[in-house]
Amino acid sequence: RKEVEQDPGPFNVPEGATVAFNCTYSNSASQSFFWYRQDCRKEPKLLMSVYSSGNEDGRFTAQLNRASQYISLLIRDSKLSDSATYLCVVSASGGSYIPTFGRGTSLIVHP
Amino acid sequence: DTGVSQNPRHKITKRGQNVTFRCDPISEHNRLYWYRQTLGQGPEFLTYFQNEAQLEKSRLLSDRFSAERPKGSFSTLEIQRTEQGDSAMYLCASRRPENTEAFFGQGTRLTVV
Repeated sequence: RKEVEQDPGPFNVPEGATVAFNCTYSNSASQSFFWYRQDCRKEPKLLMSVYSSGNEDGRFTAQLNRASQYISLLIRDSKLSDSATYLCVVSASGGSYIPTFGRGTSLIVHP
Repeated sequence: DTGVSQNPRHKITKRGQNVTFRCDPISEHNRLYWYRQTLGQGPEFLTYFQNEAQLEKSRLLSDRFSAERPKGSFSTLEIQRTEQGDSAMYLCASRRPENTEAFFGQGTRLTVV
């Protein structure tokens, strides 16, 4: 079983739609959680951190469920510019704190 | 621009040749990571430095791969006797000591022909 699992998609949605991605992780000692966005042939860039209480940034909402070991990302009112791959990142506590990535979920927003 | 810098951006090499990539992290970041990414996959961890010490290496890092960070600043990743399976994007990331996000360089895209 992979440490971080994501549905690769693609998720194909019209502009204005709401779309949600889930990510599951296997290490119960995981402490830090992030969503990164990666455009085609570019480096990953931080979209948002995921806090225990959940957090929102404009059209984006991230939530953490420690009991079930998954995190989610909700995108409301999708824009064409949201088309990208969304990477779930998890790291365990401890000195090395190695960020572990899922394979990413591809989102395509069409007119 | 004080972001993570990687050189070269692209490298085409013949099978069997050695290649070396460089990463300059953000100056106050003492943690540095190397990842490899192939098409359709997320970045896979290769190795991690805290200052100049290489603290972890993935099983993906075969004997042909070596990484250094001699003065705790820039890092190099060398691949000896390259194979076609080494073709990938090699990403470097750095972060501060606190549990904050990692910042990535633009990557070095390696093509082994």
